[in-house]
Amino acid sequence: DAKTTQPPSMDCAEGRAANLPCNHSTISGNEYVYWYRQIHSQGPQYIIHGLKNNETNEMASLIITEDRKSSTLILPHATLRDTAVYYCIVRVAGFGNEKLTFGTGTRLTIIP
Amino acid sequence: NAGVMQNPRHLVRRRGQEARLRCSPMKGHSHVYWYRQLPEEGLKFMVYLQKENIIDESGMPKERFSAEFPKEGPSILRIQQVVRGDSAAYFCASSPLGDTGTEAFFGQGTRLTVV
Repeated sequence: DAKTTQPPSMDCAEGRAANLPCNHSTISGNEYVYWYRQIHSQGPQYIIHGLKNNETNEMASLIITEDRKSSTLILPHATLRDTAVYYCIVRVAGFGNEKLTFGTGTRLTIIP
Repeated sequence: NAGVMQNPRHLVRRRGQEARLRCSPMKGHSHVYWYRQLPEEGLKFMVYLQKENIIDESGMPKERFSAEFPKEGPSILRIQQVVRGDSAAYFCASSPLGDTGTEAFFGQGTRLTVV
């Protein structure tokens, strides 16, 4: 699976949009981009994933660049409960390839 | 639909004892994964199982650790003769059968403390 690079930490004001970047310059054509977060030692929580089109769900939006070498997770209206470590993961989607390789992630702190 | 259930949530074992961690996947999910998170570190993949089969155990320590996912009942991660270095949070995840970018859902983990 391709390696990802994320900033170690970020702050965001409560109520503003939080934009979390991720570089995955060695991503392959059959690799998806996944985002998970871990709130204070709880189990990781799935947020969103995509292949090449932008995606949106009730939690967040995922913007993937046209060359797929980077992506941005957007939390549109951050709340204090969004304080967590956010992991960007790329992996091949296919039978038997479902394991996730977690890096160090971005520690996002929402400031009141 | 209940989420991934892990028990116990907290487990204390003395050095040399055995630890058994249980994971019940979400209803309809046939794939189970175990991850370990050492204190102040990221999650590391351990093993991937389907019913009665180990698919990928590339992250499992070679000794003392084993995992199973029987036809009936939860998946079990077993650690024999625990040592202090086994103290960690162990997370289980499950996903449905599929090959098109399915997501995995995690349980709340079992925190193992070896004293």
